[in-house]
Amino acid sequence: SQKIEQNSEALNIQEGKTATLTCNYTNYSPAYLQWYRQDPGRGPVFLLLIRENEKEKRKERLKVTFDTTLKQSLFHITASQPADSATYLCAPTSSSNTGKLIFGQGTTLQVKP
Amino acid sequence: EAGVAQSPRYKIIEKRQSVAFWCNPISGHATLYWYQQILGQGPKLLIQFQNNGVVDDSQLPKDRFSAERLKGVDSTLKIQPAKLEDSAVYLCASSFGRGRGVNTGELFFGEGSRLTVL
Repeated sequence: SQKIEQNSEALNIQEGKTATLTCNYTNYSPAYLQWYRQDPGRGPVFLLLIRENEKEKRKERLKVTFDTTLKQSLFHITASQPADSATYLCAPTSSSNTGKLIFGQGTTLQVKP
Repeated sequence: EAGVAQSPRYKIIEKRQSVAFWCNPISGHATLYWYQQILGQGPKLLIQFQNNGVVDDSQLPKDRFSAERLKGVDSTLKIQPAKLEDSAVYLCASSFGRGRGVNTGELFFGEGSRLTVL
């Protein structure tokens, strides 16, 4: 069955460092992959979408990579700030479905000043 | 632009009681989703609507959960009777969703309705 794995343990880093979050998937051939941010008590908010033919995508301090051979996406936040502390969710999506978005369990990032 | 509206934000009920959640998506969004998010887990898709038709409800526990989207706009999710394990946040999301093909657009989520079943 399809499976999405994100680091279940919280990631704690120092302000100014680069945070790297991992999203691995199995039994999937996603055409694209989305990343969302979720703050406590709030709904997820869309951050970035990367397609299977794109190796890398950037948006301000965010960078996402997509390796279809390794079946993995990496999400980087450079020059991290305490305000980046949140849970980050990945959602790989196959082109064969009807747009159904299935999420990983999320990784909680804590940036310490 | 108004976002996805959900109500109520919080609800506490006894097991075996019933509850209903309401969602008003962003104007013009054809696709509407209901997700269940249990504490510490990612959102789990319960049902997906395209206009007022159901696209996917494979994960919806149909013996107790029901959902409708009348006139292709607002949607209601009902649980009857509720169980302890239904305690979760119920998230509504919408997207443009052009047709039943690949939806590559982002999802816009509401703030969620937190249900506690005692």
